[in-house]
Amino acid sequence: SYVLTQPPSVSVAPGQTARIPCEGNNIESKSVHWYQQKAGQAPVLVVYDDIVRPSGIPERISGSNSGNTATLTISRVEAGDEADYFCQVWNSRSDLNYVFGTGTKVTVL
Amino acid sequence: QVQLVQSGAEVKKPGSSVKVSCKASGGTFSSYTLNWVRQAPGQGLEWMGKIVPLLGAGNYAQKYQGRVTITADKSTSTAYMELTSLRPEDTAVYYCTRVANGANYFDYWGQGSQVTVSS
Repeated sequence: SYVLTQPPSVSVAPGQTARIPCEGNNIESKSVHWYQQKAGQAPVLVVYDDIVRPSGIPERISGSNSGNTATLTISRVEAGDEADYFCQVWNSRSDLNYVFGTGTKVTVL
Repeated sequence: QVQLVQSGAEVKKPGSSVKVSCKASGGTFSSYTLNWVRQAPGQGLEWMGKIVPLLGAGNYAQKYQGRVTITADKSTSTAYMELTSLRPEDTAVYYCTRVANGANYFDYWGQGSQVTVSS
């Protein structure tokens, strides 16, 4: 089945930029979606179709997808960005229709 | 605006079953896909299965085939996920989520239902 790999953790100082990679075989051929999950809460969609932000998501959050790596970028990081982030793709070739990445904990120093 | 409201926490014995509900409001219930995603303590997200209420039949990840049944009641806009033969490793938060028609991402999530399996 299709595997999405993320680093377990990323640490960033306030005001700096956090980049969260999501690695998958030829991932650029798929649409990648990203979720933010704060402690004790349900996930929230923050980017879909590689680059699109849902209504209400700040412009500081952006996505990209190229080669074998999709990336979620959070600019001008704030304390409120501290959360787990998961990438996700649709896998039409498997019974496991929806595949999630392993997740990355973003810590704001 | 779609809202998904799930049933409360459950504590179950190993070998028993649990049925979690998810009541939807807003949007057209019959036309979108309702999915169930679970998250074990300290772990990531795992897709279990889905149903399109309009079509009626559930579709499941192979890992859960034979143990999970997803149903939908169009009259009450409520989806259900029943998991049988529970094991301690089924202890998790179970989320219902929506995929809009033509999309392949989860745009709305329920608040989650904690299921604890313990003797």
